[in-house]
Amino acid sequence: GAGVSQSPSNKVTEKGKDVELRCDPISGHTALYWYRQSLGQGLEFLIYFQGNSAPDKSGLPSDRFSAERTGGSVSTLTIQRTQQEDSAVYLCASSLDPGVTEAFFGQGTRLTVV
Amino acid sequence: LAKTTQPISMDSYEGQEVNITCSHNNIATNDYITWYQQFPSQGPRFIIQGYKTKVTNEVASLFIPADRKSSTLSLPRVSLSDTAVYYCLVGAHPYSSASKIIFGSGTRLSIRP
Repeated sequence: GAGVSQSPSNKVTEKGKDVELRCDPISGHTALYWYRQSLGQGLEFLIYFQGNSAPDKSGLPSDRFSAERTGGSVSTLTIQRTQQEDSAVYLCASSLDPGVTEAFFGQGTRLTVV
Repeated sequence: LAKTTQPISMDSYEGQEVNITCSHNNIATNDYITWYQQFPSQGPRFIIQGYKTKVTNEVASLFIPADRKSSTLSLPRVSLSDTAVYYCLVGAHPYSSASKIIFGSGTRLSIRP
């Protein structure tokens, strides 16, 4: 596909379970971002991957959150021992290397922790 | 990264020109100014980017004064479909060493018939 693809589009999980969210960036884009957006709020930066550089993890809210990017393409955001406050839309974006500002966003994964 | 300040919300009517101003007093020499638009239940979408003076595309115009401490996004003749949240970002200079993109709170624009 031509755009950023995220899966699943919706995820309902029980408190305490682990979840994995997937992002397929646009082919050739080496920069990849994860954001979290709670209802009616702005975008909260989580983590940023740029090429082969070490990821910028400064936005991860706790050690329950982790992300990896395999082969410079697909990325997975993992939330361990989910809590109700983790409920939000998780958005992934990608952009061209190097440092081109225009980021293309996926439709997001709506996570609900019950 | 330079912090941005923009109005929390704005209202206007169809057919009007809407101007949303963003303050970025600590903008750095190499920083660019970028605006994104976000509709409900969608990810943000790039609208326009500029460094100084004026930039215009098919969607909007961006006005940046000489001191670059603020910028104004101008939407001509808005319609109901322009109802969205508009984010002003500063930084992430194109073609420099890559940097992360940080969003502020945005301006919630509501267009009425």
